[in-house]
Amino acid sequence: AQSVTQPDIHITVSEGASLELRCNYSYGATPYLFWYVQSPGQGLQLLLKYFSGDTLVQGIKGFEAEFKRSQSSFNLRKPSVHWSDAAEYFCAVAVLYGGATNKLIFGTGTLLAVQP
Amino acid sequence: ETGVTQTPRHLVMGMTNKKSLKCEQHLGHNAMYWYKQSAKKPLELMFVYSLEERVENNSVPSRFSPECPNSSHLFLHLHTLQPEDSALYLCASSQRQGGSSYEQYFGPGTRLTVT
Repeated sequence: AQSVTQPDIHITVSEGASLELRCNYSYGATPYLFWYVQSPGQGLQLLLKYFSGDTLVQGIKGFEAEFKRSQSSFNLRKPSVHWSDAAEYFCAVAVLYGGATNKLIFGTGTLLAVQP
Repeated sequence: ETGVTQTPRHLVMGMTNKKSLKCEQHLGHNAMYWYKQSAKKPLELMFVYSLEERVENNSVPSRFSPECPNSSHLFLHLHTLQPEDSALYLCASSQRQGGSSYEQYFGPGTRLTVT
């Protein structure tokens, strides 16, 4: 069965420090992978996506993610965290199901706190 | 308006009430989704509409009834809900291209409290 695992429920980093959020997926075919961010009381905003090609993808707000097929991972990184990055981050994989329509399977999320 | 909008943003209803959630997308997409987000649980896909036809009903209780009158609008009709239905309800849309839809764009959600 398809699934996404985000092993870290909470992460705290200092402002200006680097960040890496982990994501592992289980999917038999070539995955379409996404990272979304959710601020309190808000919907999900797409940070970046991977469909094919270069395994290092750039997103908005200075984030990047690297697809590693051998490790079934799609970790999110940022070299220098800002206080405004405090939010919850969700990794997702798109899976194909009936009618040639995809649906997204989400991980449980990682809540990021940023210390001044 | 841009993106995906949802109304109301907050809703408190009793277990015997009937209410509706509304979602509108301004992106020209042709697939729309309802998700439920409860505390400490992954996002749960509830319904999927593609080209205005329902393609998924993810074992959702009949007290939730979706409606998609056109590709821009999606409703979730609620009746005789239970307290455990209290959650953030998120609407999303995407574009089917070449037979597949890709990334989804989300609205801000409706925070529902059932008393």
